[in-house]
Amino acid sequence: SYVLTQPPSVSVAPGKTARITCGGNNIGSKSVHWYQQKPGQAPVLVIYYDSDRPSGIPERFSGSNSGNTATLIISRVEAGDEADYYCQVWDSSSDHRVFGGGTKLTVL
Amino acid sequence: QVQLQESGPGLVKPSETLSLTCTVSGGSVSSGSYYWSWIRQPPGKGLEWIGYIYYTGSTNYNPSLKSRVTISMDTSKNQFSLKLSSVTAADTAVYYCAREVAYCTSRSCSNWFDPWGQGTLVTVSS
Repeated sequence: SYVLTQPPSVSVAPGKTARITCGGNNIGSKSVHWYQQKPGQAPVLVIYYDSDRPSGIPERFSGSNSGNTATLIISRVEAGDEADYYCQVWDSSSDHRVFGGGTKLTVL
Repeated sequence: QVQLQESGPGLVKPSETLSLTCTVSGGSVSSGSYYWSWIRQPPGKGLEWIGYIYYTGSTNYNPSLKSRVTISMDTSKNQFSLKLSSVTAADTAVYYCAREVAYCTSRSCSNWFDPWGQGTLVTVSS
């Protein structure tokens, strides 16, 4: 089965740029989606199809995907961005949905 | 906009069957544009996809749970349901239902979850 690997934690100072990676075998050939989950809340979609933003998501959130790594990029980080972030893909060969293990973003 | 709400017992005994229902409002489970999925999250851990149902009744399950999972749909009530049999403490988790968007571009197809229900905690304990 397809495996997605995320770093357990990323720390960033307010106003700086956070980059959260999601690794997978030739992940660049797949479309990657990202979710934000704050404590006690359900996940919320923040990026779909590698780099598209749903309505209501700030332009500070962007994404890229190439080779074996997809990246969620959060510019001008705010305290309110502190959360767990999960990447997700659709494995077309099995028709299964796969999540990464999640990354806790800490705003210093 | 579409909203999803999980309901069901918060406590299940070991070896019994966990049963949850997701009620959809603001949209129809009979829409061919979407799949309807269950996802769970053990306390302090990550997300695990359980499976989906399509309006045709077709289903697909996570191989790690396939032998114990059944997802069904009641279009008259605009609901879909999850049954997980022979539960153990390892099945203690927050269970989420979610609408799954399936979309294709000229380059590729993919599926993502939006929106999610608020989640319901199910504890397996005697």
